[in-house]
Amino acid sequence: DAKTTQPPSMDCAEGRAANLPCNHSTISGNEYVYWYRQIHSQGPQYIIHGLKNNETNEMASLIITEDRKSSTLILPHATLRDTAVYYCIVRVAGTGGFKTIFGAGTRLFVKA
Amino acid sequence: DVKVTQSSRYLVKRTGEKVFLECVQDMDHENMFWYRQDPGLGLRLIYFSYDVKMKEKGDIPEGYSVSREKKERFSLILESASTNQTSMYLCASSLTGPSSYEQYFGPGTRLTVT
Repeated sequence: DAKTTQPPSMDCAEGRAANLPCNHSTISGNEYVYWYRQIHSQGPQYIIHGLKNNETNEMASLIITEDRKSSTLILPHATLRDTAVYYCIVRVAGTGGFKTIFGAGTRLFVKA
Repeated sequence: DVKVTQSSRYLVKRTGEKVFLECVQDMDHENMFWYRQDPGLGLRLIYFSYDVKMKEKGDIPEGYSVSREKKERFSLILESASTNQTSMYLCASSLTGPSSYEQYFGPGTRLTVT
């Protein structure tokens, strides 16, 4: 099973782009990269996912390197409400379903 | 609006008690999951289920069991609660197949075992 490595914490100024890195050097060819975030006292919330192409939605952009061994989640204009723990996850196919392995994540502090 | 609900937000139990944590989803999802979350350890998968009466062990199943008698309900059971099971417990659900990329989480149950 592929594992991920993220920095434990990062700071970002309000209004600036937040770039959160993730290493997943053992990812397999059919495994997707997912990002979730968890705001204090809430359950995790899905943000975005991708296989090998860059992806963008209303919340964020996901940049995956050509060798797929790392990725970056970009919040283009961070706000104070984006302060949360961000999880980079690689999806593992399981019998009849799948398992999602969450690591410790990156705690992002957005400062005014 | 999609909904995953958990039976309690806060629960206090004594060592040795049998504890039931209930999770219900209203999205007709095939997959359901139980995680525990502890400071510095992130989320760890306890059990998951991909169909009624089907279950698979996650990374830390010891001391826990699960039950899925109906598609919408997934129960986590602590047969004999211990203090090291004090934690935040999170339930999640998802579709299966090509669209199974997003898990919807409940608000969590903070369990304290004294």
